[in-house]
Amino acid sequence: KQEVTQIPAALSVPEGENLVLNCSFTDSAIYNLQWFRQDPGKGLTSLLLIQSSQREQTSGRLNASLDKSSGRSTLYIAASQPGDSATYLCAARMGNEKLTFGTGTRLTIIP
Amino acid sequence: EAGVTQFPSHSVIEKGQTVTLRCDPISGHDNLYWYRRVMGKEIKFLLHFVKESKQDESGMPNNRFLAERTGGTYSTLKVQPAELEDSGVYFCASSQGRGWHETQYFGPGTRLLVL
Repeated sequence: KQEVTQIPAALSVPEGENLVLNCSFTDSAIYNLQWFRQDPGKGLTSLLLIQSSQREQTSGRLNASLDKSSGRSTLYIAASQPGDSATYLCAARMGNEKLTFGTGTRLTIIP
Repeated sequence: EAGVTQFPSHSVIEKGQTVTLRCDPISGHDNLYWYRRVMGKEIKFLLHFVKESKQDESGMPNNRFLAERTGGTYSTLKVQPAELEDSGVYFCASSQGRGWHETQYFGPGTRLLVL
């Protein structure tokens, strides 16, 4: 059974700093790993998807990496902005297509 | 292009009542998923439709939950009778294909509170 963990549960960072969010998973036989953003009271917005054969994906100031052998993924946010404040979720997809989510990291960027 | 939509956005009902949630996927997406997040827990999978057929309903908690997808378009999730522990946020997602690269697109969720 796949288990996904995100530590820390909450993180506060001054504006402008670079930061890394962590995601770990127990079963390395994933098809892909997806990072989402959730704003309070809103739905999930897909940020990046990394296929199992890939090592990283980039979109603007975001870079996600995947290391299947160690069961880890990271989301790197460069030059953080107050608008980046949100809860960030990672989810692993197995062959059965359902996503297994972590509990998320609540990020606060301090102006 | 419209995203995944869900109705209602919020629902407050009493224990024992029935509630029906609706999800309209992105047009042309064959795959439709239901997930839910109960208080303090992670988002968990409920079930997966491919067109009108249930592909995987391993996450459905019990027989008080009934999901349908008539004609392979929109889907409904009915809870009857609702219990206190059913409170949470119910998310719907859709994807076009089933390949390794497919992104699941999520709706805004329905916040259900059972009193």
